[in-house]
Amino acid sequence: SQQGEEDPQALSIQEGENATMNCSYKTSINNLQWYRQNSGRGLVHLILIRSNEREKHSGRLRVTLDTSKKSSSLLITASRAADTASYFCATDANDYKLSFGAGTTVTVRA
Amino acid sequence: EPEVTQTPSHQVTQMGQEVILRCVPISNHLYFYWYRQILGQKVEFLVSFYNNEISEKSEIFDDQFSVERPDGSNFTLKIRSTKLEDSAMYFCASSIGGNQPQHFGDGTRLSIL
Repeated sequence: SQQGEEDPQALSIQEGENATMNCSYKTSINNLQWYRQNSGRGLVHLILIRSNEREKHSGRLRVTLDTSKKSSSLLITASRAADTASYFCATDANDYKLSFGAGTTVTVRA
Repeated sequence: EPEVTQTPSHQVTQMGQEVILRCVPISNHLYFYWYRQILGQKVEFLVSFYNNEISEKSEIFDDQFSVERPDGSNFTLKIRSTKLEDSAMYFCASSIGGNQPQHFGDGTRLSIL
């Protein structure tokens, strides 16, 4: 299966701390995308990193990609209560579909 | 910012009935997708659509499912004869091209009774 798998499954941190979650996948990809999902809501696109890129930043988000290890990480710096959500990585192998992992549930305590 | 819109937000249907889920993708996007998420499970790919035809479909997308782009703005998913196991959140997504971000709607919660 192409699917990304996130680690850890759940993460609880204090407001202001950094949150790091990892994603592993099995086959070659064109890109890897990270999404956020608040409870009962849709998927919000956070960042896309292509297979020839190693690191990307967007605001408080930093994503890395290591294609040799088939892994990616998402770092959220200076977390806020509003960052409480589930975070998913999704791999794109052929431009036509995304394969999602089970997600990391992040709880930011005030 | 442009967004993908889905209607209805919640659909309750009797088993065996037909249901049509509607989506308006972002206007200049060319690729369209349907995904579903059964409660507590992963988001699963159903189908992708480009240039007025299906590009790829999953094993879930059997003969009971069909997609259509009836005009220049709408993209629909039809389930011909619903089953209990079709109960899920259905998400529409669109992208401007391949190897580009996919933008998702807020979903339609489909409940089959």
